[in-house]
Amino acid sequence: DAGVTQSPTHLIKTRGQQVTLRCSPISGHKSVSWYQQVLGQGPQFIFQYYEKEERGRGNFPDRFSARQFPNYSSELNVNALLLGDSALYLCASSWQLQGAGTEAFFGQGTRLTVV
Amino acid sequence: DAKTTQPPSMDCAEGRAANLPCNHSTISGNEYVYWYRQIHSQGPQYIIHGLKNNETNEMASLIITEDRKSSTLILPHATLRDTAVYYCIVSAVGNTPLVFGKGTRLSVIA
Repeated sequence: DAGVTQSPTHLIKTRGQQVTLRCSPISGHKSVSWYQQVLGQGPQFIFQYYEKEERGRGNFPDRFSARQFPNYSSELNVNALLLGDSALYLCASSWQLQGAGTEAFFGQGTRLTVV
Repeated sequence: DAKTTQPPSMDCAEGRAANLPCNHSTISGNEYVYWYRQIHSQGPQYIIHGLKNNETNEMASLIITEDRKSSTLILPHATLRDTAVYYCIVSAVGNTPLVFGKGTRLSVIA
């Protein structure tokens, strides 16, 4: 079975631009979560979606938004990019909501560089 | 903020057992202990999780103290491919995302 796939793998954007990152969960998984990982830190939670509804949001500004589609794939959008948005963006999928005693499976991430 | 405390780094000789400690003294009764690892430039990989009892799978063993205030992840025969950052996370049942700290950087040495 294919694991969690993210696209693109690398991306370079200019300050002020907008970016869309994509994630396809493992087949049958209904929950998708997004994390941001800056260099030297652990991943930080951005959003969780379950059955196409937002079920959790981390401490990120409104420039960050996401959605989940009927096929359970997901997109993360970031508007008005700042240099500080440069990071590895990780998508994780799971059968249920995270924290329900089940494991999350992570993709390889999208490395975003803002110049 | 992460609810766990881990040493920032550890070394282990190849072929020996790697024992990674984690302190979670404020853990609640409904919170699980999860371990993930992240090999350089890859996404985190699930290793194991447990609630009260010790757990073992093909990758590792998880030993949770009786008071549940600390745990140890054991890699029985560490290899060079086990070099990674290991994260210990506590997470409650329900809608609670994983909260990562800085983890322990394990270096397996030949």
